[in-house]
Amino acid sequence: DAGVTQSPTHLIKTRGQHVTLRCSPISGHKSVSWYQQVLGQGPQFIFQYYEKEERGRGNFPDRFSARQFPNYSSELNVNALLLGDSALYLCASAWNRDRGIYEQYFGPGTRLTVT
Amino acid sequence: AQSVTQLDSQVPVFEEAPVELRCNYSSSVSVYLFWYVQYPNQGLQLLLKYLSGSTLVKGINGFEAEFNKSQTSFHLRKPSVHISDTAEYFCAVSDRDDKIIFGKGTRLHILP
Repeated sequence: DAGVTQSPTHLIKTRGQHVTLRCSPISGHKSVSWYQQVLGQGPQFIFQYYEKEERGRGNFPDRFSARQFPNYSSELNVNALLLGDSALYLCASAWNRDRGIYEQYFGPGTRLTVT
Repeated sequence: AQSVTQLDSQVPVFEEAPVELRCNYSSSVSVYLFWYVQYPNQGLQLLLKYLSGSTLVKGINGFEAEFNKSQTSFHLRKPSVHISDTAEYFCAVSDRDDKIIFGKGTRLHILP
């Protein structure tokens, strides 16, 4: 079975530009979460989507937005990029049972470099 | 609010020696606890998880962890490490609201 896939694997953007990152969850998983991992730190929660609705949001500015599509894939959008947005962006999918998360499966990440 | 503290940022250990990576958490409700491993230039892989039941949890690659509610700890152990265990290890907690809070990570250095 295919795991969580993310695209692109790497990209380089300039300050002020916009970026879109994509994630496809494991088949059957309806929940997608996004995390930002700055070099040398643990991942930080950005968003969680379930059944196309936002279920949670971390402490990130409004420049960050996301959405989930009917096939449960997801996009993370970041506007007006700053140097500090350089990070590994991780997507995780999970099978929600009731309101609980039993475990999340992470994709390989997208490495974003802002110059 | 939940938080996770990984007490050591780096742990050097000789090959075939035992290792313990320490993790303490704080939460006002029942939690799920996780250990993830991240190999260089890769995403996160789940090593093991505690959801309920037995406090001793066995994971992949010979790792195990013990949930101690009174000490709010979830330390990771392996009786004999191999060079391939060189990686960053993250302890994480979830209070079942669909997000995971990660610690800052512990880098495990295996010495020959």
